[in-house]
Amino acid sequence: DGGITQSPKYLFRKEGQNVTLSCEQNLNHDAMYWYRQDPGQGLRLIYYSQIVNDFQKGDIAEGYSVSREKKESFPLTVTSAQKNPTAFYLCASSLQTGLMREKLFFGSGTQLSVL
Amino acid sequence: QKEVEQNSGPLSVPEGAIASLNCTYSDRVSQSFFWYRQYSGKSPELIMSIYSNGDKEDGRFTAQLNKASQYVSLLIRDSQPSDSATYLCAVNYGGSQGNLIFGKGTKLSVKP
Repeated sequence: DGGITQSPKYLFRKEGQNVTLSCEQNLNHDAMYWYRQDPGQGLRLIYYSQIVNDFQKGDIAEGYSVSREKKESFPLTVTSAQKNPTAFYLCASSLQTGLMREKLFFGSGTQLSVL
Repeated sequence: QKEVEQNSGPLSVPEGAIASLNCTYSDRVSQSFFWYRQYSGKSPELIMSIYSNGDKEDGRFTAQLNKASQYVSLLIRDSQPSDSATYLCAVNYGGSQGNLIFGKGTKLSVKP
């Protein structure tokens, strides 16, 4: 089955620790995205990537880093510089960006909490 | 600052009624509009997209777009308890999906 796989489902971070959230897709989509969702809030864009080895900052990139070494994979690292990391993190993909009618497909999400 | 505004609700309707969800946006250049459904603790799922003025129907769902008034709405006919979820409005301001702005969502509760 094609889809987007996020892992882990739940993640706990200690103060000063970096943690990495995994996102893998087998939809052959070019574009991938990371969103953050806080309770009662909409989705806010952290980073997105249109092609391998290239990515752009979204609205709230500070304290986060990404890589896109393979088309299928777009991991997100939450660094110790992100002082309020507790949130629901969603990875998404679309066939290609640059087309305004492109639809997003989401993974199942990772809930990150601070110990 | 481009914004997408939704009434947070909760919006409560009886089973079988029509649920009406509204969304307004701030930038007239917007051309693509999407409605996502999100169940509690789950990821969003696309249910409707609309690109031109007027109505678009898909089963029990109808999306309505009025670019002059800068609003987009979602009607759910014959509402079912399984429709109880948060509905997110998303607007693409152009260029790429990096320009997709989400509203905070409206929580819908359908009472049996």
